[in-house]
Amino acid sequence: QVQLQESGPGLVKPSETLSLTCAVSGYSISSGYYWGWIRQPPGKGLEWIGSIYHSGSTYYNPSLKSRVTISVDTSKNQFSLKLSSVTAADTAVYYCARNQWLVTDAFDIWGQGTMVTVSS
Amino acid sequence: QSVLTQPPSASGTPGQRVTISCSGSSSNIGSNYVYWYQQLPGTAPKLLIYRNNQRPSGVPDRFSGSKSGTSASLAISGLRSEDEADYYCAAWDDSLSGFVVFGGGTKLTVL
Repeated sequence: QVQLQESGPGLVKPSETLSLTCAVSGYSISSGYYWGWIRQPPGKGLEWIGSIYHSGSTYYNPSLKSRVTISVDTSKNQFSLKLSSVTAADTAVYYCARNQWLVTDAFDIWGQGTMVTVSS
Repeated sequence: QSVLTQPPSASGTPGQRVTISCSGSSSNIGSNYVYWYQQLPGTAPKLLIYRNNQRPSGVPDRFSGSKSGTSASLAISGLRSEDEADYYCAAWDDSLSGFVVFGGGTKLTVL
């Protein structure tokens, strides 16, 4: 079955760039679907960061757009998130997930999530 | 502050029927599908309802979704202790270039 696994540093210093990767198994990203990133600050709700298609077409949350880059590497069957100029407010569990069909559809498969803390 | 509005908490006793509301606007719920996610403590969200009222395979028919105008609801019948979780609604918003919006979440307690 399709599985997603996030990886990356658990601690990032303020003003630096947060970088995470989501490895996809059981399905080839090149075959379709949008793939997204969602985050959840401790004790708070979910926030969509953005989604990407295998062609590289992206959609970003307007509130984060100036700091976010999502890219895809079909040869490694993975997609990545970069969030620049981080602050303590970016501390959260970061999830990668698959959009059901279109970017407007639900996220039907999720990774387990990875905690990222922004602190010096 | 979330774009979609949910009550912060809800509760019910085993066997009871509980509903959770989600209020939005014409640019999100009013013109797009609504989704519902269940998040058990310490775990990733799980898709519960898609396209307003469709259940993914494996989701019990005790869970149902509905939408009317710019509001949506999740109903849970025959409440069970394992239903105690956080529930989030979500939808696509057509404003700006389009983006996903979530509700703030509802903590369901089974008394």
